[in-house]
Amino acid sequence: GDSVTQMEGPVTLSEEAFLTINCTYTATGYPSLFWYVQYPGEGLQLLLKATKADDKGSNKGFEATYRKETTSFHLEKGSVQVSDSAVYFCALISSNTGNQFYFGTGTSLTVIP
Amino acid sequence: DVKVTQSSRYLVKRTGEKVFLECVQDMDHENMFWYRQDPGLGLRLIYFSYDVKMKEKGDIPEGYSVSREKKERFSLILESASTNQTSMYLCASSPNRVYEQYFGPGTRLTVT
Repeated sequence: GDSVTQMEGPVTLSEEAFLTINCTYTATGYPSLFWYVQYPGEGLQLLLKATKADDKGSNKGFEATYRKETTSFHLEKGSVQVSDSAVYFCALISSNTGNQFYFGTGTSLTVIP
Repeated sequence: DVKVTQSSRYLVKRTGEKVFLECVQDMDHENMFWYRQDPGLGLRLIYFSYDVKMKEKGDIPEGYSVSREKKERFSLILESASTNQTSMYLCASSPNRVYEQYFGPGTRLTVT
């Protein structure tokens, strides 16, 4: 069945470091891909999305490109801030799965000053 | 802005109690969802609803039931709470099956 695998955490970076959080997916159809962020004590918020191959989603300095050939949707940011400390979830939705969302297990990021 | 609210941020209940978790959305969304979130397991879908009075089982429906009497409200019911239902419960809504979901702040439930 469809699924999402993302890199294990926790990840700790210094402020202004480069961030990559890996996400790969398995899907029989043509899924839409998402990154959600969860700040401490809050629910999930949509960070960015891409709906077809080669699309790039971007928001708040974060980017991810939908790569069909490698079935990946890695999250990147060139210079992280302390305020980016949160848990990041990769997710997909596909018509082949009855339009059910599938989430990765989440990657915790801590940015230290 | 879409707003999804949940009735409690923190809840402590005893084993065997009946527990109601309420979720309300204010954007006239058709679809509503209940997830539980556990460390190392991510989000797992419990139940969802595509219309009033309709419900569908998700991946882990055992021990739970739901009610959707009005479009804006989706309730999760634990008929007889058990300690393994201690978790963070997240409600979400979306306007369409293929659109992104909007989440509430979550309810952290502890069953003792």
